[in-house]
Amino acid sequence: EVQLVETGGGLIQPGGSLRLSCAASGFSVSDNDMTWVRQTPGKGLEWVSLLYRRGTPKYADSLKGRFTISRDDSKNTLYLEMNGLRAEDTALYYCARHQVGKHQFDYWGQGTLVTVSS
Amino acid sequence: DIQMTQSPSSVSASVGDRVTITCRASQGIYSWLAWYQQKPGTAPNLLIYEASSLQDGVPSRFSGSGSGRDFTLTISSLQPEDFATYYCQQADSFPLTFGGGTKVEI
Repeated sequence: EVQLVETGGGLIQPGGSLRLSCAASGFSVSDNDMTWVRQTPGKGLEWVSLLYRRGTPKYADSLKGRFTISRDDSKNTLYLEMNGLRAEDTALYYCARHQVGKHQFDYWGQGTLVTVSS
Repeated sequence: DIQMTQSPSSVSASVGDRVTITCRASQGIYSWLAWYQQKPGTAPNLLIYEASSLQDGVPSRFSGSGSGRDFTLTISSLQPEDFATYYCQQADSFPLTFGGGTKVEI
């Protein structure tokens, strides 16, 4: 059974850093394109970053180099390193698996909440 | 960026009703359009991909149509478990973008 479990969210002060993890089971993250999506009541669903299975990353322009996506194949885990956090980064962060070769998402985790506040 | 506009933002319906939700892209996206259902406290769930293909396990009362800029999600006979929020997502170009959602309420 395919499962994605996100961890690492929490309360962080503006300017701080956080690393989110997404542990996968039932498939290999190295065999799939993987994405982070965030959700807020105000802005809805927002695509954040993609890591192609070959290792090439893509990011939303608005992140301006503050976020880094990566994976550890030995741990079957996807990561999102977030630096210079701002209040507007407050959101529920989901990891999701792409359908093979496509840019829609067939499995999602339950999400991890990031709150940026002093 | 491609803007995705859904309408209506909410709809009130009854069990057994036929419900139609529309999604318009700010530019043509061929058939690269997905629909998701989200219930409170849970992640989005893929219903339809490539505008009209039903994801495995999704009931056949859900259907999608359209191409280019205009797309439709139809629920042929609303069931109690279908009360949720529905989102479209364009899968044509980066950044991938979502519609604002349509809440289907009793």
